[in-house]
Amino acid sequence: QVQLVESGGGVVQPGRSLRLSCAASGFTFRNYGMDWVRQAPGKGLEWVAIIWYDGNNKYYADSVKGRFTISRDNSRNTLYLQLNSPTAEDTAVYYCARGAGTTNWYFDLWGRGTLVTVSS
Amino acid sequence: SYVLTQPPSVSVAPGETARITCGGNNIGSKSVHWFQQKPGQAPVLVIYYNSDRPSGIPERFSGSNSGNTATLTISRVEAGDEADYYCQVWDSSSDHRGVFGTGTKVTVL
Repeated sequence: QVQLVESGGGVVQPGRSLRLSCAASGFTFRNYGMDWVRQAPGKGLEWVAIIWYDGNNKYYADSVKGRFTISRDNSRNTLYLQLNSPTAEDTAVYYCARGAGTTNWYFDLWGRGTLVTVSS
Repeated sequence: SYVLTQPPSVSVAPGETARITCGGNNIGSKSVHWFQQKPGQAPVLVIYYNSDRPSGIPERFSGSNSGNTATLTISRVEAGDEADYYCQVWDSSSDHRGVFGTGTKVTVL
Protein backbone atom coordinates (compact mmCIF):
# COMPACT_ATOMS: atom_id res chain seq x y z
CA GLN A 1 0.00 0.00 0.00
CA VAL A 2 1.39 3.35 -1.06
CA GLN A 3 1.46 5.57 2.00
CA LEU A 4 3.27 8.08 4.16
CA VAL A 5 3.00 7.95 7.94
CA GLU A 6 4.23 10.82 10.09
CA SER A 7 5.23 10.54 13.73
CA GLY A 8 7.07 12.46 16.42
CA GLY A 9 4.63 15.27 17.05
CA GLY A 10 3.60 16.43 20.49
CA VAL A 11 4.02 19.30 22.89
CA VAL A 12 7.41 21.00 22.87
CA GLN A 13 8.55 23.96 24.90
CA PRO A 14 9.67 27.10 23.08
CA GLY A 15 13.38 26.92 22.33
CA ARG A 16 13.60 23.14 22.71
CA SER A 17 13.97 20.68 19.83
CA LEU A 18 11.79 18.09 18.20
CA ARG A 19 12.32 15.66 15.33
CA LEU A 20 9.50 14.55 13.10
CA SER A 21 9.66 11.38 11.02
CA CYS A 22 7.79 10.24 7.94
CA ALA A 23 7.86 6.55 7.01
CA ALA A 24 7.26 5.78 3.34
CA SER A 25 6.02 2.48 1.97
CA GLY A 26 4.64 1.03 -1.24
CA PHE A 27 6.89 2.98 -3.60
CA THR A 28 10.61 3.44 -4.33
CA PHE A 29 11.35 6.19 -1.83
CA ARG A 30 14.87 6.92 -3.09
CA ASN A 31 13.49 7.99 -6.48
CA TYR A 32 11.38 10.86 -5.14
CA GLY A 33 11.94 14.32 -3.80
CA MET A 34 10.04 14.88 -0.57
CA ASP A 35 8.53 17.87 1.17
CA TRP A 36 7.11 19.02 4.47
CA VAL A 37 3.97 21.17 4.48
CA ARG A 38 2.32 22.53 7.60
CA GLN A 39 -1.06 23.92 8.59
CA ALA A 40 -1.58 26.06 11.68
CA PRO A 41 -4.91 25.56 13.48
CA GLY A 42 -7.71 27.04 11.39
CA LYS A 43 -5.27 28.35 8.79
CA GLY A 44 -4.18 27.47 5.27
CA LEU A 45 -1.39 25.31 3.93
CA GLU A 46 2.21 26.51 4.17
CA TRP A 47 5.10 24.84 2.36
CA VAL A 48 8.05 24.27 4.72
CA ALA A 49 10.92 22.46 3.00
CA ILE A 50 11.99 20.16 0.18
CA ILE A 51 14.78 17.65 -0.16
CA TRP A 52 15.94 16.17 -3.46
CA TYR A 53 15.67 12.43 -4.04
CA ASP A 54 19.36 11.92 -3.21
CA GLY A 55 19.47 14.41 -0.32
CA ASN A 56 21.95 16.65 -2.11
CA ASN A 57 19.70 19.69 -2.38
CA LYS A 58 17.47 21.23 0.27
CA TYR A 59 15.38 24.39 0.26
CA TYR A 60 13.38 26.06 3.00
CA ALA A 61 10.62 28.58 3.52
CA ASP A 62 11.93 31.86 4.88
CA SER A 63 9.86 31.33 8.05
CA VAL A 64 11.90 28.28 9.06
CA LYS A 65 15.26 28.83 7.38
CA GLY A 66 18.12 28.47 9.84
CA ARG A 67 15.91 26.77 12.45
CA PHE A 68 14.52 23.65 10.76
CA THR A 69 16.50 20.95 8.97
CA ILE A 70 15.10 18.46 6.47
CA SER A 71 16.91 15.18 5.93
CA ARG A 72 16.28 11.65 4.73
CA ASP A 73 17.56 8.11 5.10
CA ASN A 74 16.92 6.24 1.87
CA SER A 75 18.03 2.96 3.46
CA ARG A 76 15.20 3.32 5.98
CA ASN A 77 12.65 4.89 3.59
CA THR A 78 12.27 7.73 6.07
CA LEU A 79 12.06 11.51 5.85
CA TYR A 80 12.86 13.76 8.80
CA LEU A 81 12.29 17.32 9.94
CA GLN A 82 14.34 18.65 12.84
CA LEU A 83 12.66 21.58 14.57
CA ASN A 84 15.14 23.70 16.51
CA SER A 85 14.18 26.69 18.62
CA PRO A 86 10.47 26.48 17.76
CA THR A 87 8.11 29.27 18.69
CA ALA A 88 4.36 29.39 19.18
CA GLU A 89 4.06 30.34 15.49
CA ASP A 90 5.36 26.89 14.58
CA THR A 91 2.33 25.20 16.15
CA ALA A 92 0.71 23.26 13.30
CA VAL A 93 -0.10 19.93 11.78
CA TYR A 94 2.98 18.87 9.82
CA TYR A 95 2.40 16.81 6.68
CA CYS A 96 5.01 15.02 4.65
CA ALA A 97 4.28 14.92 0.95
CA ARG A 98 5.79 13.18 -2.03
CA GLY A 99 7.00 15.44 -4.79
CA ALA A 100 6.12 15.04 -8.45
CA GLY A 101 6.96 16.87 -11.63
CA THR A 102 10.25 18.45 -12.53
CA THR A 103 10.48 22.22 -12.67
CA ASN A 104 6.82 22.60 -11.74
CA TRP A 105 6.76 20.65 -8.52
CA TYR A 106 3.56 19.43 -6.89
CA PHE A 107 2.55 16.96 -4.20
CA ASP A 108 0.85 13.76 -5.29
CA LEU A 109 0.81 11.79 -2.04
CA TRP A 110 0.30 13.09 1.50
CA GLY A 111 0.53 11.61 4.95
CA ARG A 112 -2.18 12.15 7.56
CA GLY A 113 -0.03 14.62 9.48
CA THR A 114 1.37 14.95 12.99
CA LEU A 115 0.43 17.79 15.34
CA VAL A 116 3.17 19.91 16.90
CA THR A 117 2.18 22.23 19.73
CA VAL A 118 4.78 24.70 20.95
CA SER A 119 3.86 25.75 24.45
CA SER A 120 5.42 26.23 27.84
CA SER B 1 7.82 36.39 -2.94
CA TYR B 2 5.05 35.11 -5.18
CA VAL B 3 1.50 35.51 -3.86
CA LEU B 4 -1.61 33.53 -4.80
CA THR B 5 -4.99 34.99 -3.90
CA GLN B 6 -8.24 33.02 -3.63
CA PRO B 7 -11.74 34.08 -2.56
CA PRO B 8 -12.38 32.99 1.03
CA SER B 9 -15.64 31.28 0.20
CA VAL B 10 -17.84 30.06 -2.64
CA SER B 11 -21.40 28.81 -2.20
CA VAL B 12 -23.17 26.63 -4.75
CA ALA B 13 -26.37 24.62 -4.96
CA PRO B 14 -26.22 20.88 -5.67
CA GLY B 15 -26.07 20.17 -9.38
CA GLU B 16 -24.74 23.62 -10.22
CA THR B 17 -21.19 24.67 -11.18
CA ALA B 18 -18.62 26.03 -8.75
CA ARG B 19 -15.71 28.12 -10.00
CA ILE B 20 -12.78 28.84 -7.71
CA THR B 21 -10.25 31.40 -8.84
CA CYS B 22 -6.57 31.70 -8.01
CA GLY B 23 -4.96 35.02 -8.83
CA GLY B 24 -1.26 35.64 -9.27
CA ASN B 25 1.03 37.87 -11.32
CA ASN B 26 1.25 36.30 -14.78
CA ILE B 27 0.14 32.97 -13.32
CA GLY B 28 -0.63 31.84 -16.86
CA SER B 29 3.11 31.32 -17.34
CA LYS B 30 3.22 28.83 -14.47
CA SER B 31 1.75 25.39 -13.88
CA VAL B 32 -1.02 25.42 -11.28
CA HIS B 33 -2.04 22.50 -9.12
CA TRP B 34 -5.17 22.15 -6.98
CA PHE B 35 -5.86 20.34 -3.72
CA GLN B 36 -9.07 19.44 -1.91
CA GLN B 37 -9.04 19.22 1.88
CA LYS B 38 -11.98 17.98 3.93
CA PRO B 39 -12.18 18.68 7.68
CA GLY B 40 -9.69 16.66 9.69
CA GLN B 41 -8.14 15.10 6.59
CA ALA B 42 -4.98 15.54 4.58
CA PRO B 43 -5.10 17.42 1.29
CA VAL B 44 -5.78 15.44 -1.89
CA LEU B 45 -4.49 16.39 -5.34
CA VAL B 46 -7.41 16.99 -7.71
CA ILE B 47 -5.77 18.84 -10.63
CA TYR B 48 -2.12 19.09 -11.70
CA TYR B 49 -0.42 20.93 -14.53
CA ASN B 50 -3.39 23.32 -14.82
CA SER B 51 -5.90 20.79 -16.14
CA ASP B 52 -4.76 17.19 -15.68
CA ARG B 53 -6.72 14.92 -13.34
CA PRO B 54 -5.11 12.19 -11.24
CA SER B 55 -6.65 8.77 -11.51
CA GLY B 56 -9.72 8.46 -9.33
CA ILE B 57 -10.69 12.13 -9.56
CA PRO B 58 -14.08 12.59 -11.23
CA GLU B 59 -14.31 14.28 -14.63
CA ARG B 60 -16.50 16.89 -12.93
CA PHE B 61 -13.25 18.51 -11.76
CA SER B 62 -11.46 20.59 -14.39
CA GLY B 63 -8.94 23.41 -14.48
CA SER B 64 -7.77 26.26 -16.64
CA ASN B 65 -5.06 28.90 -16.45
CA SER B 66 -4.50 32.11 -18.41
CA GLY B 67 -3.25 35.61 -17.81
CA ASN B 68 -3.40 36.45 -14.10
CA THR B 69 -6.04 33.89 -13.10
CA ALA B 70 -6.25 30.12 -12.78
CA THR B 71 -9.64 28.51 -12.24
CA LEU B 72 -10.81 25.22 -10.75
CA THR B 73 -14.27 24.29 -12.00
CA ILE B 74 -16.47 21.72 -10.29
CA SER B 75 -19.44 20.72 -12.45
CA ARG B 76 -22.63 19.11 -11.16
CA VAL B 77 -21.61 19.81 -7.59
CA GLU B 78 -22.39 17.17 -4.99
CA ALA B 79 -22.62 17.42 -1.21
CA GLY B 80 -19.36 15.48 -0.96
CA ASP B 81 -17.52 18.28 -2.75
CA GLU B 82 -17.87 20.55 0.26
CA ALA B 83 -14.29 21.21 1.35
CA ASP B 84 -11.44 23.70 1.34
CA TYR B 85 -9.59 24.05 -1.97
CA TYR B 86 -6.04 25.33 -2.42
CA CYS B 87 -4.11 26.26 -5.54
CA GLN B 88 -0.35 25.80 -5.64
CA VAL B 89 2.60 26.71 -7.83
CA TRP B 90 6.32 26.13 -7.65
CA ASP B 91 8.40 29.31 -7.62
CA SER B 92 11.90 28.87 -9.01
CA SER B 93 12.46 32.51 -9.92
CA SER B 94 14.99 33.28 -7.18
CA ASP B 95 14.94 30.15 -5.05
CA HIS B 96 13.02 26.89 -4.95
CA ARG B 97 9.87 27.09 -2.93
CA GLY B 98 6.29 25.97 -2.90
CA VAL B 99 3.54 28.56 -2.82
CA PHE B 100 -0.04 27.83 -1.79
CA GLY B 101 -3.06 30.00 -2.34
CA THR B 102 -5.01 31.39 0.59
CA GLY B 103 -7.67 28.72 0.26
CA THR B 104 -11.38 28.73 -0.61
CA LYS B 105 -14.14 27.14 1.42
CA VAL B 106 -16.75 25.62 -0.89
CA THR B 107 -20.17 25.31 0.71
CA VAL B 108 -22.89 23.22 -0.90
CA LEU B 109 -26.22 24.80 -0.10
